[in-house]
Amino acid sequence: NAGVTQTPKFRVLKTGQSMTLLCAQDMNHEYMYWYRQDPGMGLRLIHYSVGEGTTAKGEVPDGYNVSRLKKQNFLLGLESAAPSQTSVYFCASSSPPAGGPYEQYFGPGTRLTVT
Amino acid sequence: SQQGEEDPQALSIQEGENATMNCSYKTSINNLQWYRQNSGRGLVHLILIRSNEREKHSGRLRVTLDTSKKSSSLLITASRAADTASYFCATDGETSGSRLTFGEGTQLTVNP
Repeated sequence: NAGVTQTPKFRVLKTGQSMTLLCAQDMNHEYMYWYRQDPGMGLRLIHYSVGEGTTAKGEVPDGYNVSRLKKQNFLLGLESAAPSQTSVYFCASSSPPAGGPYEQYFGPGTRLTVT
Repeated sequence: SQQGEEDPQALSIQEGENATMNCSYKTSINNLQWYRQNSGRGLVHLILIRSNEREKHSGRLRVTLDTSKKSSSLLITASRAADTASYFCATDGETSGSRLTFGEGTQLTVNP
């Protein structure tokens, strides 16, 4: 049981390049999330999904797109990278019980630098 | 905007001492959670307290919640060097659904 995994772990992009970050979870969780974390700050939600085939915008969605074609995978795309997107990206998943609270399980992160 | 704000931003203590971190939030919540992040790693869930609870314990962790003051505290007793990490509070509210809003975190350093 690997939990939540992220690929790649590190990446350096030049301004204008594109890339896709992959998140996979093997816990059969319904909900998945993409966050970014900047130095000295908490996590900010980029996009999230409440089920296969669904996505929704979070707090800072501009410049990013996502897809959830399979329940276990959540992809984060940067179409034209900008230096402001230099950050550490975390994926998380959860499976809230009916009417109950939930915890989120996090991946190890992807450190992205845009030059 | 960030819902939770943590205080202090950084805390340095000696092994064996207690560490207290505080979190304040702005709007009504359903639940408040605390997470730990070791350097270079993802976040790990520590404890969840519901809005109708006032105190909760888990091992060396004690969490309190005061909804009238919109604040929570995390107490780590008898700290160890391995407790060195950043600690974040996260809230979910009536309108946030499955989304959590994280605070900026407290960096705890426990010196051996």
